[in-house]
Amino acid sequence: DVQMTQSLSYLAASPGESVSISCKASKSISNYLAWYQQKPGEAYKLLIYSGSTLQSGTPSRFSGSGSGTDFTLTIRSLEPEDFGLYYCQQYYEKPYTFGAGTKLELK
Amino acid sequence: EVQLVESGGGLVQPGRSLKLSCLASGFTFSNYGMNWIRQAPGKGLEWVASISSSSSYIYYADTVKGRFTISRDNAKNTLYLQMTSLRSEDTALYYCARHRLGGHYFDYWGQGVMVTVSS
Repeated sequence: DVQMTQSLSYLAASPGESVSISCKASKSISNYLAWYQQKPGEAYKLLIYSGSTLQSGTPSRFSGSGSGTDFTLTIRSLEPEDFGLYYCQQYYEKPYTFGAGTKLELK
Repeated sequence: EVQLVESGGGLVQPGRSLKLSCLASGFTFSNYGMNWIRQAPGKGLEWVASISSSSSYIYYADTVKGRFTISRDNAKNTLYLQMTSLRSEDTALYYCARHRLGGHYFDYWGQGVMVTVSS
């Protein structure tokens, strides 16, 4: 199985700052990577797919980059609603696997 | 508005069975592949099973293969997960999620239903 590693479990930042969340695959997955956001009491929300393509409705302050094994989700100029949990997922092969998540907290 | 609403969870003893349902609305259910994904307490997300739009293709995680069965009724806009021989490690929040057309990622998720396996 492809192991997905999000090296940071927690990340503290303030509104207005920019942050980057990394995700590393145990083998090359091309660009078959998605990013999700989860906020308490809400359903998981797809933010980005194909490594860098924004899902409809995802604010432009979000961006995704990377291919192969190393990927990054960047959020520019954090808004209060951006604080929550972020997960990466590979869909290069089954079983689909997820990173352990990075919790973006308010500093 | 796309909505996925799971039901059928609860407390069940080890070795027993339980069937989850996911009622879909707001889109043409029969056009989309669907999935079950779970999250054990304090743990990460684990994909459980997928079913194609016409049920022609079905896949399972090794951890549930032979014990769980995914199915769907397109006339009722409902996805199912029949779980048998339940184990304590199956305790989790179970999410229903839609495959985006042409992709193997999940563009809509339900809120989840809790399954607790305990004596």
